[in-house]
Amino acid sequence: ETVLTQSPATLSVSPGEGATLSCRASQSVSINLAWYQQKPGQAPRLLIFGASTRATGIPARFSGSGSGTDFTLTISSLQSEDFAVYYCQQYTNWPLTFGGGTKVEIK
Amino acid sequence: QVQLVESGGGVVQPGGSLRLSCAASGFTFSHFDMHWVRQAPGKGLEWAAHIRYDGTTKNYGDSVKGRFTISRDNSNKTLYLEMSGLRPEDTAVYYCAKDRSPLHLDYWGQGILVTVSS
Repeated sequence: ETVLTQSPATLSVSPGEGATLSCRASQSVSINLAWYQQKPGQAPRLLIFGASTRATGIPARFSGSGSGTDFTLTISSLQSEDFAVYYCQQYTNWPLTFGGGTKVEIK
Repeated sequence: QVQLVESGGGVVQPGGSLRLSCAASGFTFSHFDMHWVRQAPGKGLEWAAHIRYDGTTKNYGDSVKGRFTISRDNSNKTLYLEMSGLRPEDTAVYYCAKDRSPLHLDYWGQGILVTVSS
């Protein structure tokens, strides 16, 4: 199983500041990595797929990078609606796996 | 617009069975793979099962393999998850999700709670 380790577990950020979230895979997943955002009481929303391609309707302040085992989600200037939990997911190997999540909270 | 609506959740005793359904609309259901993903209370996401668009291939997470069965009815645009041998650790919100191909999830239902407790 491909284990995804997300760091940090919690990130405290002031509105308007940037945030950098990390996802590390236990083996190469090429660029087959997606990022999701989840707000309390809501279903996850797809942000990024193919490591760096924004999904439909996702603002340009969200960007993804990386390949192989190391990936980053960057939010350039946090808006109030961006405070949420973020998950990475790999889709190279079965079983599909998610990281444990990074909670982005208001500082 | 794409809609996925889960139903069939509830409280079940350990060792019991339950069938979840997911009614799909707003897209050509028979053209897309589908998934079930679950989330235990206060925990992260766990992928549970996948089914190919034509139902010929199914994949399962290790924690549900041999106990859960995913299936679909393309004529009725419905996805199913048959769960048996339920354990307290299966307690979770279960989401059905549409595959964007390959194997990442672009639309999710609102989720349905399954509680396994005596």
